[in-house]
Amino acid sequence: EVQLVESGGGLVQSGGSLRLSCAASGFTFSNYEMNWVRQAPGKGLAWVSYINRNSKSIHYADSVKGRFTISRDNAKNSLYLQMNSLRDEDTAVYYCAREKGDCGGDCNDFWGQGTLVTVSS
Amino acid sequence: QSALTQPPSASGSPGQSVTISCTGTSSDVGAYNYVSWYQQYPGKAPKLMIYEVNKRPSGVPDRFSGSKSANTASLTVSGLQAEDEADYYCTSYGGSSKFYVFGTGTTVSVL
Repeated sequence: EVQLVESGGGLVQSGGSLRLSCAASGFTFSNYEMNWVRQAPGKGLAWVSYINRNSKSIHYADSVKGRFTISRDNAKNSLYLQMNSLRDEDTAVYYCAREKGDCGGDCNDFWGQGTLVTVSS
Repeated sequence: QSALTQPPSASGSPGQSVTISCTGTSSDVGAYNYVSWYQQYPGKAPKLMIYEVNKRPSGVPDRFSGSKSANTASLTVSGLQAEDEADYYCTSYGGSSKFYVFGTGTTVSVL
């Protein structure tokens, strides 16, 4: 069974840092591209970052560029999001998501349950 | 990265059809056949319903269909059922500069 389990969320002060993790199981993690997607309370979905299978291709939304860093460890079946210089507007549930293999574009066929990040000023 | 534009709400009676639009630009929706649609229930993770404009993942009912014309993509839900009441989001690839962009979301109500 495919599973994605996020962890590392919590309450942090504005300007602080957090590192989110996503533990993958039930599939060959190294064969899939991955994304982080967030959802502010009561708001819509927003794509945050993408990483390809060998970490050679990485992309960020403009809103987090220069502050967030996505990475992965294929040996540990894990995806990460290092978040620095956090702002109030980064408050959201953060989801990790797996891109469907035979698909072009943002087609995430499995999602984690999400982890809540709350930035307090 | 400006969000794609969706109507805030749409509704229909059981058995009817509802169509949700997703308007982007010639740099995203209009440029690539890489539009996906997600269904999300409150407090739950999204579920992929349509990818590459009009393809359905296995397990998604054929009541859900997608299309695209110029800079606007559409999701049609035919034969509306109570369980279709949810939020729906489109997303598109926008090239190496924008990469991925989501729509503003549409809440579908079954009357």
